[in-house]
Amino acid sequence: DAGITQSPRYKITETGRQVTLMCHQTWSHSYMFWYRQDLGHGLRLIYYSAAADITDKGEVPDGYVVSRSKTENFPLTLESATRSQTSVYFCASSEPQQGNTQYFGPGTRLTVL
Amino acid sequence: GENVEQHPSTLSVQEGDSAVIKCTYSDSASNYFPWYKQELGKRPQLIIDIRSNVGEKKDQRIAVTLNKTAKHFSLHITETQPEDSAVYFCAATFSVDSSYKLIFGSGTRLLVRP
Repeated sequence: DAGITQSPRYKITETGRQVTLMCHQTWSHSYMFWYRQDLGHGLRLIYYSAAADITDKGEVPDGYVVSRSKTENFPLTLESATRSQTSVYFCASSEPQQGNTQYFGPGTRLTVL
Repeated sequence: GENVEQHPSTLSVQEGDSAVIKCTYSDSASNYFPWYKQELGKRPQLIIDIRSNVGEKKDQRIAVTLNKTAKHFSLHITETQPEDSAVYFCAATFSVDSSYKLIFGSGTRLLVRP
């Protein structure tokens, strides 16, 4: 678990501001994922990436942008934050050749005022 | 569509009793089914998983069963203990072209009463 980190761990921002959440993994896993967790909704997939320079939309991609220029990093950007994006964000990584187990980062608690 | 349904949303059992959580999935091509446990304020942690070529898997007090025909799988926890209290999530893989993603159920909050 120490191999996947997220920053910041807590963030408070205002409506309309741009916010970037960082995710870094040291395992060289090919897959990386972003989820948001809200009460009553479990873990919802925002975006995922099967390899560097390849990204795909998940269940709730609207309002978010991702990039993956390096295998180890997968930043998530909220271009113009809204109150509905207040949530806990989890990053995860996996390697299909090692069984598809997803390992989660510690999460970022984001509050949009 | 891609969907994983999980029931019940909350479950309260007496210490020592068994707990069962059930999930159904929509895609017959799904081939990997993990279960995660999430304690309050922590990240989800894998507790057990099963692949489509296996009908049942057991690890000490926890077991998972898979019925591919009916497209459902279940988590069984025996001899429950207070430290089993947490939120449990099931998930299933959905393939898109040559890549895959996990879709999670909405979670079950398990409370084990001492």
